[in-house]
Amino acid sequence: NAGVTQTPKFRILKIGQSMTLQCTQDMNHNYMYWYRQDPGMGLKLIYYSVGAGITDKGEVPNGYNVSRSTTEDFPLRLELAAPSQTSVYFCASSYRELFFGEGSRLTVL
Amino acid sequence: QQQVKQSPQSLIVQKGGISIINCAYENTAFDYFPWYQQFPGKGPALLIAIRPDVSEKKEGRFTISFNKSAKQFSLHIMDSQPGDSATYFCAANNYGGSQGNLIFGKGTKLSVKP
Repeated sequence: NAGVTQTPKFRILKIGQSMTLQCTQDMNHNYMYWYRQDPGMGLKLIYYSVGAGITDKGEVPNGYNVSRSTTEDFPLRLELAAPSQTSVYFCASSYRELFFGEGSRLTVL
Repeated sequence: QQQVKQSPQSLIVQKGGISIINCAYENTAFDYFPWYQQFPGKGPALLIAIRPDVSEKKEGRFTISFNKSAKQFSLHIMDSQPGDSATYFCAANNYGGSQGNLIFGKGTKLSVKP
């Protein structure tokens, strides 16, 4: 099993550009999440989903959007990228234990 | 009320020594306390977790100690090895809710010197 797969692994954006971080899981988990990780700040929840068609905001949702059309996929959309969105983004899924992808490092210049 | 405070921020231990990382929480509704281990360039992975009905849980060289009255829990790594060098995160939530809505500590970067 691949587990949780994130693409791209690295991306550089210019201020004001938009992009989508892709996340897919093959464990048939209903719960999926997006976190951002900043140095010395731990992991902050951006959005989460409890199943296809259902999403909800986490702690830091501003500047992001998500959708969940299938159980497997949970893309994160950044609109009008800002330098404050420079971070490492982790997608995760869970049944009981939380499984993380390997991360997507985003730099906004 | 939703914070999990983790210390120290960084830790250097000699090979064979004991590494101790501490966390404190405020929300008495929390009932699930996992520790995650993260190697550079990788996502965090569950290391060990405890529920508040026990005061200690041990898995190999890793032990969680839990003090419900003090609202504190700690990770002890016995016989620390260079391969244990990683960032460790404590977390907490109400397990009755979504498992992933964890509140994370800010992390401890552990370096084990040979």
